[in-house]
Amino acid sequence: NAGVMQNPRHLVRRRGQEARLRCSPMKGHSHVYWYRQLPEEGLKFMVYLQKENIIDESGMPKERFSAEFPKEGPSILRIQQVVRGDSAAYFCASSSGLAGAETQYFGPGTRLLVL
Amino acid sequence: AQTVTQSQPEMSVQEAETVTLSCTYDTSESNYYLFWYKQPPSRQMILVIRQEAYKQQNATENRFSVNFQKAAKSFSLKISDSQLGDTAMYFCAFMSRTSGTYKYIFGTGTRLKVLA
Repeated sequence: NAGVMQNPRHLVRRRGQEARLRCSPMKGHSHVYWYRQLPEEGLKFMVYLQKENIIDESGMPKERFSAEFPKEGPSILRIQQVVRGDSAAYFCASSSGLAGAETQYFGPGTRLLVL
Repeated sequence: AQTVTQSQPEMSVQEAETVTLSCTYDTSESNYYLFWYKQPPSRQMILVIRQEAYKQQNATENRFSVNFQKAAKSFSLKISDSQLGDTAMYFCAFMSRTSGTYKYIFGTGTRLKVLA
């Protein structure tokens, strides 16, 4: 399966703990996007990364949230000191970034539950 | 700022019938892309159809087609011969290469239920 991979699929954390969400893009894709979906809502853009660069983080909260996409390995979305309001589905998407290939392909999501 | 509006929170259709989901958007861009994604109960986001704004011809994918009205900023999805497996949330999304970013802006979704 050469699709976008996300792990874990489900993550339970207590308030104050850290959450690490991983995303491996489709083969050949170098652009990664993270979106958050609160219950009964649409997806909201958080951050857009290329290898080793954050291109647009306008949708990501300034505190407690960070993202990276290293030269080797998956993209990581990190949430420090989680609060109940962080409970949501976090989706990763990838694209090739080439002209004419604007379509983003989504992973299955990580459901984060903060107790 | 771009916005995407889906004014139908819920819809239902009988199996084998046709249904149209509405989407309007607001932008000052001239070159952009529009998408419909389906999110079944599994919550996986599945691309249904895409439309480039510079193309006048409406996109079609099997039973799915769009009615793209650029001047009216309208992008509706028509599902023909509805099947039970079409039951899902449907999200309209907008994307333009504004300032070098490629983020999608999603509508709030329409929950479609296909009735047997």
